[in-house]
Amino acid sequence: GNSVTQMEGPVTLSEEAFLTINCTYTATGYPSLFWYVQYPGEGLQLLLKATKADDKGSNKGFEATYRKETTSFHLEKGSVQVSDSAVYFCALSRGGANNLFFGTGTRLTVIP
Amino acid sequence: DADVTQTPRNRITKTGKRIMLECSQTKGHDRMYWYRQDPGLGLRLIYYSFDVKDINKGEISDGYSVSRQAQAKFSLSLESAIPNQTALYFCATSGEGSGANVLTFGAGSRLTVL
Repeated sequence: GNSVTQMEGPVTLSEEAFLTINCTYTATGYPSLFWYVQYPGEGLQLLLKATKADDKGSNKGFEATYRKETTSFHLEKGSVQVSDSAVYFCALSRGGANNLFFGTGTRLTVIP
Repeated sequence: DADVTQTPRNRITKTGKRIMLECSQTKGHDRMYWYRQDPGLGLRLIYYSFDVKDINKGEISDGYSVSRQAQAKFSLSLESAIPNQTALYFCATSGEGSGANVLTFGAGSRLTVL
């Protein structure tokens, strides 16, 4: 079946630290991969996406590379800010949003 | 105004009561969705609708029903609420084609069933 496994949180980092949130997936065929972010009190919003192997998605200083050989899509940021504190969800799609599978989410807290 | 508006934002109710959560969107999209979020379980799809005349069950539709009143409106009902339906509910909308996987979410409706 289709599923996403992401590292359990919570993750606490100091400002300007390097961030990695691991995400691996299981899927038939060639899924599209996504990272969504949920800020406190808000709904999820798309952070970045990649639609084929070796694609790199990037936005707001965050990056993730679609690695087919390791079935991974790890989220990275070189220098986190307090404003990056949120819950991050990895997701895969095998077609439209009705076939979108979310991971369990990783809570990130950045302290000054 | 938000692209996707959910009401109410918070609701506390008792077991057996009927509850309706409402959602409206200004994106002009045909596709709308209802998700449930539980701690440690991520988001799970309850129902989705690709247009006004199209309603489909998602992963966890038991105990829920929906109504698509217009392109912009999609409501979720719990006919007889039970405590394990306590959760955070999200409405979302998406476009089609390359935008089909890009969801725009509302801020959520937190439901507590006592």
